[in-house]
Amino acid sequence: EAAVTQSPRNKVTVTGGNVTLSCRQTNSHNYMYWYRQDTGHGLRLIHYSYGAGNLQIGDVPDGYKATRTTQEDFFLLLELASPSQTSLYFCASSRDPGEQYFGPGTRLTVL
Amino acid sequence: GDQVEQSPSALSLHEGTGSALRCNFTTTMRAVQWFRKNSRGSLINLFYLASGTKENGRLKSAFDSKERYSTLHIRDAQLEDSGTYFCAADPSSGSWQLIFGSGTQLTVMP
Repeated sequence: EAAVTQSPRNKVTVTGGNVTLSCRQTNSHNYMYWYRQDTGHGLRLIHYSYGAGNLQIGDVPDGYKATRTTQEDFFLLLELASPSQTSLYFCASSRDPGEQYFGPGTRLTVL
Repeated sequence: GDQVEQSPSALSLHEGTGSALRCNFTTTMRAVQWFRKNSRGSLINLFYLASGTKENGRLKSAFDSKERYSTLHIRDAQLEDSGTYFCAADPSSGSWQLIFGSGTQLTVMP
């Protein structure tokens, strides 16, 4: 079973604040993904990456940056957080285009 | 429009009964994944199918790429099966992202 961890698990910040969400996978997967999930909706892809140094834009990238520093680590950055970014954020990884394994999620609240 | 249409949006079952969830796709999909979101909010992988059917305990899933649908059957439902179930499809377009359905909120009652 693939292991994907996220930190922090919960975060509260204020409008205009700077937030970094962290994701680590220890299964040597090449692909990593950041999603957000809002009540009544499925997950929506923010950014994804093929490998260290690579970044691809997903479906809802506005207001988010991401960086893949190593094969294991993928970060999501909110430089000027807004209340519309209050959501549950999931990180996922996959060995190749195929089955994805998800982390436990980070609940972000922007006041 | 949405490429993945999941139904029903909510479902209530009594313990011991069963039902099916369905996802219809508006385009050809390469594969489908099914997840359950548990009470702690974690996404639990249930199935990954590129074709055919898979079964695991009281759960069975089928995927028909040509007919553009997938199903998840639950039999002998237990209280711990309650949660939100998502299907997610992998398009054949070369994109490596999953497109999620909006989820089915399952409540199993005593």
